[in-house]
Amino acid sequence: EPEVTQTPSHQVTQMGQEVILRCVPISNHLYFYWYRQILGQKVEFLVSFYNNEISEKSEIFDDQFSVERPDGSNFTLKIRSTKLEDSAMYFCASSDGTGPYEQYFGPGTRLTVT
Amino acid sequence: KNEVEQSPQNLTAQEGEFITINCSYSVGISALHWLQQHPGGGIVSLFMLSSGKKKHGRLIATINIQEKHSSLHITASHPRDSAVYICAVTPYMDSNYQLIWGAGTKLIIKP
Repeated sequence: EPEVTQTPSHQVTQMGQEVILRCVPISNHLYFYWYRQILGQKVEFLVSFYNNEISEKSEIFDDQFSVERPDGSNFTLKIRSTKLEDSAMYFCASSDGTGPYEQYFGPGTRLTVT
Repeated sequence: KNEVEQSPQNLTAQEGEFITINCSYSVGISALHWLQQHPGGGIVSLFMLSSGKKKHGRLIATINIQEKHSSLHITASHPRDSAVYICAVTPYMDSNYQLIWGAGTKLIIKP
């Protein structure tokens, strides 16, 4: 069964460093999402991506964040200058079609900023 | 005010018990999702529904659109059902179909 994959599973970085989180969505899916979950808190929407551009972003998704689909298969989230409060689990998701379709989630990347 | 509220926050039950987790929402929706998050953190979609009832194995999800309420039931609960169960909604007319998430219900099933 097709699945969403994410790498790395765990990333430790120092404050101020850039990180790139990678996701490979399911191949025929059209919508892509990034969510984050700070430890002990609920999942929050970061950004949605459709037709090679950002379709919506939350207040959390400020200028430090960017997304890219560089090669038609990977979907990346870049944080330019990490802060301690960026420490969280980051989930990528993808969905098929142009309705409220079921979203398929990757296993997540745990980002720890020290 | 949270747009998606779940109850209870925590639930501990004995193996075999019938489990009910509730979700209320305050926005118009095009779909409601029930998801399961295991201790390792991974998220799995259990159901997506916009009306009525869906059943998958021992799991049943119902939704009442007029009352803006959904329930997730687990019959004959088992320790392997222990996880966080999350309700999330796709707001109506949100063309990006992002999810608004509840805080989750932590379920522990004791043998």
